[in-house]
Amino acid sequence: KQEVTQIPAALSVPEGENLVLNCSFTDSAIYNLQWFRQDPGKGLTSLLLIQSSQREQTSGRLNASLDKSSGRSTLYIAASQPGDSATYLCAVTRGYALNFGKGTSLLVTP
Amino acid sequence: EAGVAQSPRYKIIEKRQSVAFWCNPISGHATLYWYQQILGQGPKLLIQFQNNGVVDDSQLPKDRFSAERLKGVDSTLKIQPAKLEDSAVYLCASSLDVVDWPHQPQHFGDGTRLSIL
Repeated sequence: KQEVTQIPAALSVPEGENLVLNCSFTDSAIYNLQWFRQDPGKGLTSLLLIQSSQREQTSGRLNASLDKSSGRSTLYIAASQPGDSATYLCAVTRGYALNFGKGTSLLVTP
Repeated sequence: EAGVAQSPRYKIIEKRQSVAFWCNPISGHATLYWYQQILGQGPKLLIQFQNNGVVDDSQLPKDRFSAERLKGVDSTLKIQPAKLEDSAVYLCASSLDVVDWPHQPQHFGDGTRLSIL
């Protein structure tokens, strides 16, 4: 059974810092990995999707990397802003279903 | 493009009562998913539809949960009777087509927050 772990569970940083969120998974036979953002009381917004054949994806200040062989992914956020405060979830796909981690709750203070 | 619509946003019921949630996916999306998200956890897939057929319902507690997607568009998820452990946010998501599914992101609605008293 696929287990997805996210570290840290919570993170507080001052505005302007660069930060890294970590995601690990136990079964490396995945088709893709996605990073989502969830704001309080809201659904999930897809940030980046990395296919199993890819090593990284970038969107604006976000960069996600994937190392399938070691079962790890990182989400790098550059020059963090208070608007980045949210819960970030990673999810891996092998079958049709997304297997989610529990998320990292990020607070960026002004 | 309109997003995934869900209603109601909030529901409070007593245990053993029944409840139903409604989802309208993004227009043209063939695949629809229902997830359960318990506080502090990531979402867990309950059921997946491709058009009006069920693709995966292996994690749906079928003794109390049911779902349907008539005409391959809107979907309803029902719980009867509800238990205390059903308190959660129920999220609906849709994607373009399961045929190309590894490359298609899922788009989520804002969810229905269910509280069982």
